[in-house]
Amino acid sequence: DTAVSQTPKYLVTQMGNDKSIKCEQNLGHDTMYWYKQDSKKFLKIMFSYNNKELIINETVPNRFSPKSPDKAHLNLHINSLELGDSAVYFCASSPGQGFEAFFGQGTRLTVV
Amino acid sequence: GQNIDQPTEMTATEGAIVQINCTYQTSGFNGLFWYQQHAGEAPTFLSYNVLDGLEEKGRFSSFLSRSKGYSYLLLKELQMKDSASYLCAVRDGDYKLSFGAGTTVTVRA
Repeated sequence: DTAVSQTPKYLVTQMGNDKSIKCEQNLGHDTMYWYKQDSKKFLKIMFSYNNKELIINETVPNRFSPKSPDKAHLNLHINSLELGDSAVYFCASSPGQGFEAFFGQGTRLTVV
Repeated sequence: GQNIDQPTEMTATEGAIVQINCTYQTSGFNGLFWYQQHAGEAPTFLSYNVLDGLEEKGRFSSFLSRSKGYSYLLLKELQMKDSASYLCAVRDGDYKLSFGAGTTVTVRA
């Protein structure tokens, strides 16, 4: 059973489009995260939710909007996609804030 | 904010030992993590240090000195499958986990 699963694994889309990435965890964790890993492999936190409540919101363009319908799900919606949004987006979860994080397999987003 | 530094690349021979250093400056400190990431895959947890000293887990060990803002990950008896990127991550006073840029280790036969 996949602990943290995100879909899709690959996403190729044109500039200006709106797209969503979904994430689900079956570990019973309270905290979920979105990370962005750019071409230089630097993994940077974007958002963190604890029990459906937003607790970390880094300086991310407001075109990025996370939504947590319940504590097992954290989706990421991106409006008006730009070339610079191309990266691998990782969802992760942990038992609580800042504990060991378990990562999904990543979504490779390519904006053309 | 965080400032986490680690070497970009290291190369070693199969069976050898490699030490990956990580220095950090952080506003508050609540632990340091090491993750392994193979190309095209997700990061996976390797080790965690919150107190000074050495934590050993099989072929991998991690050391922390809080006063020096320094950690290292030691990989012993290197195997080809250890070729990967190793990420140092620091948990700050607000319990936010921030990652370094990673060290790519290449193991040669």
